[in-house]
Amino acid sequence: KAGVTQTPRYLIKTRGQQVTLSCSPISGHRSVSWYQQTPGQGLQFLFEYFSETQRNKGNFPGRFSGRQFSNSRSEMNVSTLELGDSALYLCASSKTGLNEKLFFGSGTQLSVL
Amino acid sequence: GNSVTQMEGPVTLSEEAFLTINCTYTATGYPSLFWYVQYPGEGLQLLLKATKADDKGSNKGFEATYRKETTSFHLEKGSVQVSDSAVYFCALSDQAAGNKLTFGGGTRVLVKP
Repeated sequence: KAGVTQTPRYLIKTRGQQVTLSCSPISGHRSVSWYQQTPGQGLQFLFEYFSETQRNKGNFPGRFSGRQFSNSRSEMNVSTLELGDSALYLCASSKTGLNEKLFFGSGTQLSVL
Repeated sequence: GNSVTQMEGPVTLSEEAFLTINCTYTATGYPSLFWYVQYPGEGLQLLLKATKADDKGSNKGFEATYRKETTSFHLEKGSVQVSDSAVYFCALSDQAAGNKLTFGGGTRVLVKP
């Protein structure tokens, strides 16, 4: 059974640009969550989608957005990139997202120059 | 709001030594508690979990007991191996907060042969 797949693995962008990251969950999983990991702030919750609806959102500015498709694949978008957006972005999936084990992808390492 | 505090690393040990990583939490509801592990270049993997007070989670020789009276969930392993070198994250999931994971800052463990 394939795990959670995130693409691309690495990204380099410049300030002001926008970026889209992709996440394919494990087959049968309908919940997809996104986390930002930085050395300074640690792991922070961005948002969670279930059946194409955003069910929960963390404390990030509106530049961070996401969506989920009917096949449960998810994308997150960051517009007007800032240097502080440099981070490892992790996607996690689970069947229901309710108090159960999350399966994480290897992440997308975003560097903003 | 919810928060998780764990001991800062790095923790450096010799093979076969005893490992303890302290974790305490603050939550408004009745959280489930987790330990996740992150190996270099990879995403997070669930190590163990406990869903109610006095539950003991265990996996791969690691154990942690949910202590409601001390709001703690300390991770222990009796005899570590070089392959246990990784970053360990304590986390909680609270239905009142929409089931998102709140992570501690992570503890890097280095086991030397």
